[in-house]
Amino acid sequence: AQSVTQLGSHVSVSEGALVLLRCNYSSSVPPYLFWYVQYPNQGLQLLLKYTSAATLVKGINGFEAEFKKSETSFHLTKPSAHMSDAAEYFCAVSATGNQFYFGTGTSLTVIP
Amino acid sequence: DAGITQSPRHKVTETGTPVTLRCHQTENHRYMYWYRQDPGHGLRLIHYSYGVKDTDKGEVSDGYSVSRSKTEDFLLTLESATSSQTSVYFCAISRDFSGANVLTFGAGSRLTVL
Repeated sequence: AQSVTQLGSHVSVSEGALVLLRCNYSSSVPPYLFWYVQYPNQGLQLLLKYTSAATLVKGINGFEAEFKKSETSFHLTKPSAHMSDAAEYFCAVSATGNQFYFGTGTSLTVIP
Repeated sequence: DAGITQSPRHKVTETGTPVTLRCHQTENHRYMYWYRQDPGHGLRLIHYSYGVKDTDKGEVSDGYSVSRSKTEDFLLTLESATSSQTSVYFCAISRDFSGANVLTFGAGSRLTVL
């Protein structure tokens, strides 16, 4: 069975501050892991993915995530928040490569 | 949106009426998916397809059926819509991206059941 838990449904940060969005996964086999971003009234866009290569994955818009097997975590970070980062972020897991399970999402607010 | 078109984009209907949402892709991908998005629940898989006439249930399939008679089209049908099916529905395709399958989503279809 696969599942994803995103801790914190709402996160607020000041512009220029560190962004940390948490994701823990459960998977019986080594998983593929993903972060997606959703801007208002739009579909989801891929931010980055982990596919068992490097544990530190860099994505678009300055985001990165680190796969930590011992902690079953795949937290998303960005050193300095920008106003344009305000969006909903979803973590997803896939063990088979063809079925994908999503977390409940984290809404990021950036305070000027 | 990688050649994924969902229609209609918005629909308001009444309880008990049938509704069909259409997903059309232009890139000939084998796997297609229907998700629903609800506050507090994230995205939940309704049904998916792994080829023409090959479909399988997801985690919230009750009350929904799907059909795929052509590679490019994946239809989601609500046989008798209920208010609990008010949601935003997303179609997605799975495609290879740097050695791994990733989902690419359509723009979504907002369904309101009165």
